[in-house]
Amino acid sequence: GAVVSQHPSWVICKSGTSVKIECRSLDFQATTMFWYRQFPKQSLMLMATSNEGSKATYEQGVEKDKFLINHASLTLSTLTVTSAHPEDSSFYICSARVPFSRADTQYFGPGTRLTVL
Amino acid sequence: AQTVTQSQPEMSVQEAETVTLSCTYDTSESDYYLFWYKQPPSRQMILVIRQEAYKQQNATENRFSVNFQKAAKSFSLKISDSQLGDAAMYFCAYRSAYRDDKIIFGKGTRLHILP
Repeated sequence: GAVVSQHPSWVICKSGTSVKIECRSLDFQATTMFWYRQFPKQSLMLMATSNEGSKATYEQGVEKDKFLINHASLTLSTLTVTSAHPEDSSFYICSARVPFSRADTQYFGPGTRLTVL
Repeated sequence: AQTVTQSQPEMSVQEAETVTLSCTYDTSESDYYLFWYKQPPSRQMILVIRQEAYKQQNATENRFSVNFQKAAKSFSLKISDSQLGDAAMYFCAYRSAYRDDKIIFGKGTRLHILP
């Protein structure tokens, strides 16, 4: 199956700094990628849908200026948490969709654990 | 709006036994996909099984099978011959076949396998 990677797998940063998380589709081109946030013992919450070459579509309640998403190529989407604060600490997961396929072919990355001190 | 409900926060099953995880959903659409995802302690989301709403036949993947009741909007997962490696969080999920590609997840069921 298709492989999606995320980097870094975990990051610890100081409050007020910005953190960039990368999501890559390794063996396919993904026109659409998704970013999720998962709190401990909870489900995945969709933050935004990222389309290559266009602006991301954010879910209601997600701050666009806080969580910057860039999908600059067909294999890379980045999520930047700007001016991070302890409440941004969470597990962030990306997924990538294989284009031109009817059935679900979203593949998930292994996730990035962000801890803001 | 579509919703996915998993009413069992946790379940336990003896190794080698069979367990069924429940899921109901609500939608006004007629064409959609349903999934069960597994999230083990590594947190990597793994697709377990997929069902297309227009197919009446229940999907099966080795020890995993579903009971898809479209009229009742029910989509349960049966795990046969449970193994220790099946211990994980299981999420039921929905995706519309018409609109965008958002997957809507249920809150999950944590499955414990008792040796």
